[in-house]
Amino acid sequence: GDSVTQMEGPVTLSEEAFLTINCTYTATGYPSLFWYVQYPGEGLQLLLKATKADDKGSNKGFEATYRKETTSFHLEKGSVQVSDSAVYFCALRGETSGSRLTFGEGTQLTVNP
Amino acid sequence: DGGITQSPKYLFRKEGQNVTLSCEQNLNHDAMYWYRQDPGQGLRLIYYSQIVNDFQKGDIAEGYSVSREKKESFPLTVTSAQKNPTAFYLCASSADRSSGNTIYFGEGSWLTVV
Repeated sequence: GDSVTQMEGPVTLSEEAFLTINCTYTATGYPSLFWYVQYPGEGLQLLLKATKADDKGSNKGFEATYRKETTSFHLEKGSVQVSDSAVYFCALRGETSGSRLTFGEGTQLTVNP
Repeated sequence: DGGITQSPKYLFRKEGQNVTLSCEQNLNHDAMYWYRQDPGQGLRLIYYSQIVNDFQKGDIAEGYSVSREKKESFPLTVTSAQKNPTAFYLCASSADRSSGNTIYFGEGSWLTVV
């Protein structure tokens, strides 16, 4: 079945540091890939997505490129801010998994001033 | 404003009681979902519905029940058969089952057994 593996956290960075959160997936066919962000006590918000190979999703300075050859969708940001502190989830929505989202375990990011 | 509304935000359940979590969306979405999140963990799918009057079990359906009598509503009942119900519950919806469509989430409901 479909699965998503995220780098283990937590991740702690200083403000203006470079961020990478690794995400790899297993799925048949051509899934769509998503990054969601969750702030404390809240629901999930879509951060960015990519629906086909080599697509780059971007939003609020975050980027991720759909790499089918390495089955990866790593999240990057060039300069993080304290307000980026949250939990980040990588997810896929596959062609053969019905209409569900399959999530990674989430990565807690803390950015210190 | 369009969106997904979950209520209540906080709910306390006594042992042996059934409780129902409400989820309403005004996005005209066909598909709706319920996920459970335990502290420090990812999300697990409880039930989903792709169309009115139809729903399917997810990965952890035991001890839960749902209905989909109206397109905009997908309530979740946590029954007394659910042995460990304390968790954060998230409702979500999507225009349809196409993999490229985004699934949007509500703000969640906290359920605590007392």
